[in-house]
Amino acid sequence: AQSVAQPEDQVNVAEGNPLTVKCTYSVSGNPYLFWYVQYPNRGLQFLLKYITGDNLVKGSYGFEAEFNKSQTSFHLKKPSALVSDSALYFCAVRDTSSGSARQLTFGSGTQLTVLP
Amino acid sequence: EAQVTQNPRYLITVTGKKLTVTCSQNMNHEYMSWYRQDPGLGLRQIYYSMNVEVTDKGDVPEGYKVSRKEKRNFPLILESPSPNQTSLYFCASRRGDRLNTEAFFGQGTRLTVV
Repeated sequence: AQSVAQPEDQVNVAEGNPLTVKCTYSVSGNPYLFWYVQYPNRGLQFLLKYITGDNLVKGSYGFEAEFNKSQTSFHLKKPSALVSDSALYFCAVRDTSSGSARQLTFGSGTQLTVLP
Repeated sequence: EAQVTQNPRYLITVTGKKLTVTCSQNMNHEYMSWYRQDPGLGLRQIYYSMNVEVTDKGDVPEGYKVSRKEKRNFPLILESPSPNQTSLYFCASRRGDRLNTEAFFGQGTRLTVV
């Protein structure tokens, strides 16, 4: 079975500082990994994904994520946080080798607050 | 504009009164799914559909029904809603030909069952 863990319910960071939102995953085979962001009263918006190749993936709004196979992690990062980055962030995984490969499993979400 | 449209956005209903939440996408996506979002639990998949007339249970299907008679529409049906189905619901769609495609989400439907 595939699973995702986001160990921090809440992350606070000062504007202009770098931010990291953590994600670890568990799959049987190879993972496809995704980050989504949810602003208040809105649906989820796609930020970036890791499929294969370069371990550092760049996405929307200046976000990037680093795939680390040995640590089974896919942490979301941004060099300089903005107040407008404050939102709920979800990590998700799809196991390419399982029978339920079409399913996407989400983490519990991390609320990011960027303080002015 | 490419989008997934859910209706209604907000709904308050009473226990046992059948309701339908509609979902429509204009991207010709094969794959559609329904999720519920609850605090601390993230998003959990209720049902999914890989194409017209092909549906299957997700992780939390009890108390829900779906149908896929047309490619663009994927309604979620609660035959006899109960208070434990109070939640925020999202419909999503994506291309079904590859596993690496990202999903597009609707705006959400906040359902309260009293």
